[in-house]
Amino acid sequence: RKEVEQDPGPFNVPEGATVAFNCTYSNSASQSFFWYRQDCRKEPKLLMSVYSSGNEDGRFTAQLNRASQYISLLIRDSKLSDSATYLCVVNPRRAAGNKLTFGGGTRVLVKP
Amino acid sequence: NAGVTQTPKFQVLKTGQSMTLQCAQDMNHNSMYWYRQDPGMGLRLIYYSASEGTTDKGEVPNGYNVSRLNKREFSLRLESAAPSQTSVYFCASSEPGNTIYFGEGSWLTVV
Repeated sequence: RKEVEQDPGPFNVPEGATVAFNCTYSNSASQSFFWYRQDCRKEPKLLMSVYSSGNEDGRFTAQLNRASQYISLLIRDSKLSDSATYLCVVNPRRAAGNKLTFGGGTRVLVKP
Repeated sequence: NAGVTQTPKFQVLKTGQSMTLQCAQDMNHNSMYWYRQDPGMGLRLIYYSASEGTTDKGEVPNGYNVSRLNKREFSLRLESAAPSQTSVYFCASSEPGNTIYFGEGSWLTVV
């Protein structure tokens, strides 16, 4: 089993719709979680950190479920510019080295 | 506003050739990383350097060597390139526990 798993998609989303997807992780001791966004042939960029209480940034909402060991990302009112691959990232522990583990990514395609 | 800069952006190598990917960051970060990204495999850590003077193996270190030349620079060397090393390579830097920032990537093809 991979340490961090994501549905590769693609999720085909009508413009203006809501889309949500999850990421599961295997290490129950994992301490920090992030969502990164990666556009085609570009480097990953931080979208948002994921906090235990859940957090929202504009149209994006991230949730953490420690009991079931998954994090989720919800995008409301999808824009064409939201088309990208979303990478789930997990940090096993708060140690020097920050050896983050990346999921394979979920591809989202927003269509007019 | 450079952030993480890596060179070259594109390179074609013949099997058995050697080359070095260069990376520099101007954010005064202690930690630096080299990842490779292959279709369907996600980002995999090759080597990382928690601080100047230290390096450690990641998930896929075979066939690579690294040098943390100083706090700013972290290079990745392929001593004898193989077709299996055809990939996109990303250098990154961070402070422990904080956001990782990536370079724009280096597209390497080994023929």
